Amino acid sequence: AQTVTQSQPEMSVQEAETVTLSCTYDTSESDYYLFWYKQPPSRQMILVIRQEAYKQQNATENRFSVNFQKAAKSFSLKISDSQLGDAAMYFCAYRNYGGSQGNLIFGKGTKLSVKP
Amino acid sequence: DSGVTQTPKHLITATGQRVTLRCSPRSGDLSVYWYQQSLDQGLQFLIQYYNGEERAKGNILERFSAQQFPDLHSELNLSSLELGDSALYFCASSVGRGARRRETQYFGPGTRLLVL
Repeated sequence: AQTVTQSQPEMSVQEAETVTLSCTYDTSESDYYLFWYKQPPSRQMILVIRQEAYKQQNATENRFSVNFQKAAKSFSLKISDSQLGDAAMYFCAYRNYGGSQGNLIFGKGTKLSVKP
Repeated sequence: DSGVTQTPKHLITATGQRVTLRCSPRSGDLSVYWYQQSLDQGLQFLIQYYNGEERAKGNILERFSAQQFPDLHSELNLSSLELGDSALYFCASSVGRGARRRETQYFGPGTRLLVL
């Protein structure tokens, strides 16, 4: 069974600085998706970024980028120029590439605080 | 706004009771997923429906059931409620077929269930 591990329960960053959140996963599959979701105090789950395992290029979305290391099964999220609105829980998630079937498997999350 | 709607937003009920949570997926999405988020268990996958048919089951209790209707909205039924069922219940939807990019799951705002 696949597992997702986020080893940092809490992180803190100064406003305008850069922070990296770690995620490792375990799978025997070669084709899959990886995601980062953000959950602010409103509890809404918001997609931040996605990565497809067959793509070697790291995904980027504005200030958010990932470092995808397939061999190491590592998928970290880098937030540049941190803003107060980035404060939230961040969840790393894995999904098999399984056609129409494929639930997300989540890590336990990292709580990010942003200091003004 | 993800385009996924869930009702009600909050639900307070007593042990032993039965409740129904409702989800309307994004327009065009065929897959609906239900997840439970609790303090001790984190985010857990419950069940998936695809175009009206059950497609995958996760850690869903026998007291819980779900269905997806012809108009693609879905309902999650929770019966014989226990204190431990108190949680945030999310519905997510995805296209469920076709291009890889469309397999991203978008989450509704969730239903907060409190069992007293």
